[in-house]
Amino acid sequence: QVQLVQSGAEVKKPGASVKVSCKASGYTFTGNYIHWVRQAPGQRLEWMGWIDPNGGGTNSAQKFQGRVTMTRDTSISTAYMELTGLTSDDTAVYYCARDLGVVVVTAISYWGQGTLVTVSS
Amino acid sequence: DIQMTQSPSSLSASVGDRVTITCRAGQSINNFLNWYQQKPGRAPKLLVYETSNLQSGVPSRFSGSGSGTDFTLTISSLQPEDFAIYYCQQSYGPPWTFGQGTKVEIK
Repeated sequence: QVQLVQSGAEVKKPGASVKVSCKASGYTFTGNYIHWVRQAPGQRLEWMGWIDPNGGGTNSAQKFQGRVTMTRDTSISTAYMELTGLTSDDTAVYYCARDLGVVVVTAISYWGQGTLVTVSS
Repeated sequence: DIQMTQSPSSLSASVGDRVTITCRAGQSINNFLNWYQQKPGRAPKLLVYETSNLQSGVPSRFSGSGSGTDFTLTISSLQPEDFAIYYCQQSYGPPWTFGQGTKVEIK
């Protein structure tokens, strides 16, 4: 069965960076885009971007451009999201999630368990 | 960015009720509209994709409709496990955006 297992919770100071990993199993890693979505406490879901694990191409929301880097290592079926210049506004649960579509993006069908990132001085 | 607005923001309903949630996009998104269910402390779950396609394993009491800018999610007969927050999301173009959510509570 499809599984996405994320790295554990992080506590960071303002100005620091965080890198979240997402290990995929149960399907061909290069066949479906991986999305990164975050949710601040009590807030709506916020799409950050996607990565095509096949070629490594990415697309990120303008809000995060310059601060977010999405990468992947196909040898270990793992995607990564690094966010720099953290502020308290970045305190959120970060999800990796797999697209429903094969090759194309459609909807987010499988989700990781979430990684809580807390930014506090 | 395409703004997504849901109504109502919350509702109270009883088991067995028919429930309808509306989602309006700030511009036409054709049929690129998805619906998710989220329970407290859990990741969202895809219910309906591209307006009206039921995701595998989702009960048939859930259905979606609409086109252009106006969309609805209907639960034909509310069950105890359906009390949750529901989000719409457009996949017309990046950045993908979500509605603010509709909380379905027990009356």
